[in-house]
Amino acid sequence: NAGVTQTPKFQVLKTGQSMTLQCAQDMNHNSMYWYRQDPGMGLRLIYYSASEGTTDKGEVPNGYNVSRLNKREFSLRLESAAPSQTSVYFCASRHRAYEQYFGPGTRLTVT
Amino acid sequence: ELKVEQNPLFLSMQEGKNYTIYCNYSTTSDRLYWYRQDPGKSLESLFVLLSNGAVKQEGRLMASLDTKARLSTLHITAAVHDLSATYFCAVELHSGGGADGLTFGKGTHLIIQP
Repeated sequence: NAGVTQTPKFQVLKTGQSMTLQCAQDMNHNSMYWYRQDPGMGLRLIYYSASEGTTDKGEVPNGYNVSRLNKREFSLRLESAAPSQTSVYFCASRHRAYEQYFGPGTRLTVT
Repeated sequence: ELKVEQNPLFLSMQEGKNYTIYCNYSTTSDRLYWYRQDPGKSLESLFVLLSNGAVKQEGRLMASLDTKARLSTLHITAAVHDLSATYFCAVELHSGGGADGLTFGKGTHLIIQP
């Protein structure tokens, strides 16, 4: 099993550009999550999906949209990137009430 | 709003010593997680604490949870260099076993020197 995979690993965008971060899990987990991690901060929840077809906002949803494409895939879209969105983005998944498993992360720089 | 505070945020210690990292949280929850992160890497699950009084141990690390005090501790015994990393505690707001995301502390950057 690959666990949780994310693409791309690195990305540089110019202000105003758009992009989609992809996440997939092969553990048959119901719930999936997107977090961002900034220097000196813990992770902050952007959006999550409790199950296929549902999504909910987390702590810092502004400037982002998500799509739960199917049970395996959960994408995060930046419609118009801003320098404040420079961060490391982690996708995670979990099965019911157990711990979350994290992907390797995407390092995004917006200039 | 759930707040999670860790202390210390930075800790430099010598091999062989013992130390404790503290995690306080502001709202009732009986579900707490500890994660480890190495530089440039993802998060690795260390412990899942699911009830008051829960204690778990793995090697030189031991975690405990006191839900009445809203406090969890991560104790390091006889530290070794390989334990150098950043340690995060995270709390789940709704502990009913649902799908809610986690609220993380800012992390404790631990350096263990020979």
